[in-house]
Amino acid sequence: AQSVTQPDIHITVSEGASLELRCNYSYGATPYLFWYVQSPGQGLQLLLKYFSGDTLVQGIKGFEAEFKRSQSSFNLRKPSVHWSDAAEYFCAVVPYNQGGKLIFGQGTELSVKP
Amino acid sequence: DVKVTQSSRYLVKRTGEKVFLECVQDMDHENMFWYRQDPGLGLRLIYFSYDVKMKEKGDIPEGYSVSREKKERFSLILESASTNQTSMYLCASSRRGLAGVREQYFGPGTRLTVT
Repeated sequence: AQSVTQPDIHITVSEGASLELRCNYSYGATPYLFWYVQSPGQGLQLLLKYFSGDTLVQGIKGFEAEFKRSQSSFNLRKPSVHWSDAAEYFCAVVPYNQGGKLIFGQGTELSVKP
Repeated sequence: DVKVTQSSRYLVKRTGEKVFLECVQDMDHENMFWYRQDPGLGLRLIYFSYDVKMKEKGDIPEGYSVSREKKERFSLILESASTNQTSMYLCASSRRGLAGVREQYFGPGTRLTVT
């Protein structure tokens, strides 16, 4: 079945440590790819997106993500995590030629230790 | 800045009540969406609208209906609320673009409890 998978439900990292959140998708053609962040009590905010071209994309708040076609992955990274990064992160895809409907992963909750 | 507002942050309703959730966006966006968010399930699309008076079912439309009489406003209606509709409801909007892919801007959400 076509899906978006975020294997890690909850991750805890120390402040200043690096971060990688995983996202895999299972669609035949490469979909459009997004990462959204939801801070406590807030709506979702777009961090970055990939449509085509350079497979390493830069986003807001110091985040980046790398598209790997061979692995059907779009992992989110940050070299040094700040306490304010504690939030829930959602990977989302828009399958090719399906009218722009976003399909979300289950989400990964990030906790940051001081 | 794009702003998407939702009429209530928290709402408590009784089983069988008719519930209206209102969403307003101020950026003249063509597309509007209603999602529900449940732990471990991410966000799931209930309904969306590409234009005034136009609506299309998402992945989980059962038990819900929508109304879009004006471009800036998109309402979600629970005809007869049930306890399994207790959830966080998020509204979003986006500009219509090539292949329908545009950044979606989200409201803060309405946490609905049905008792």
